[in-house]
Amino acid sequence: GQNIDQPTEMTATEGAIVQINCTYQTSGFNGLFWYQQHAGEAPTFLSYNVLDGLEEKGRFSSFLSRSKGYSYLLLKELQMKDSASYLCAVYGQNFVFGPGTRLSVLP
Amino acid sequence: DTAVSQTPKYLVTQMGNDKSIKCEQNLGHDTMYWYKQDSKKFLKIMFSYNNKELIINETVPNRFSPKSPDKAHLNLHINSLELGDSAVYFCASSQEGLAGADTQYFGPGTRLTVL
Repeated sequence: GQNIDQPTEMTATEGAIVQINCTYQTSGFNGLFWYQQHAGEAPTFLSYNVLDGLEEKGRFSSFLSRSKGYSYLLLKELQMKDSASYLCAVYGQNFVFGPGTRLSVLP
Repeated sequence: DTAVSQTPKYLVTQMGNDKSIKCEQNLGHDTMYWYKQDSKKFLKIMFSYNNKELIINETVPNRFSPKSPDKAHLNLHINSLELGDSAVYFCASSQEGLAGADTQYFGPGTRLTVL
């Protein structure tokens, strides 16, 4: 089966850097996804990692280590609008989402 | 222009009824999805279609039947609605399937409430 774990909540300050971790166990591996979801809105695709290493997209970066079953999403220069839930999802034998991390950015 | 649209936005109905949710994408994508997000905000994939063919069919009761008349549309029909079906249903599309690296675009969601 598949199991995904993320911290439930995190708090950070505007302008800071925050790292949201995701650990997983999976049968087979076809990729790991990160999504952002603001309250009451649809998810937004952020990133996809299938090989080990860091993928950078502007203020957001995503890292993957397949041997460790570990990924993180790094958000730099935090803005108030980054307050949202961040969902990690793993595509292995099935496509499974983690429980999400609710990030609060404070002024 | 809306990329992925769903109708209706809200749906309130009685237990035992049959209802449909429609989804259309104007992005020219080959793959479409249905996701369910429950009251605890847990998101789960239900179905994935590629060019009108069913690719992913997760453990979903057979009361849920997706229909893809063409690759721009993926509708979800639900028979004999139950209280536990109350959730937000999101449609999404992407050019390739989940194993591709391309962006998935989500519709605004349909909030289904079963009374």
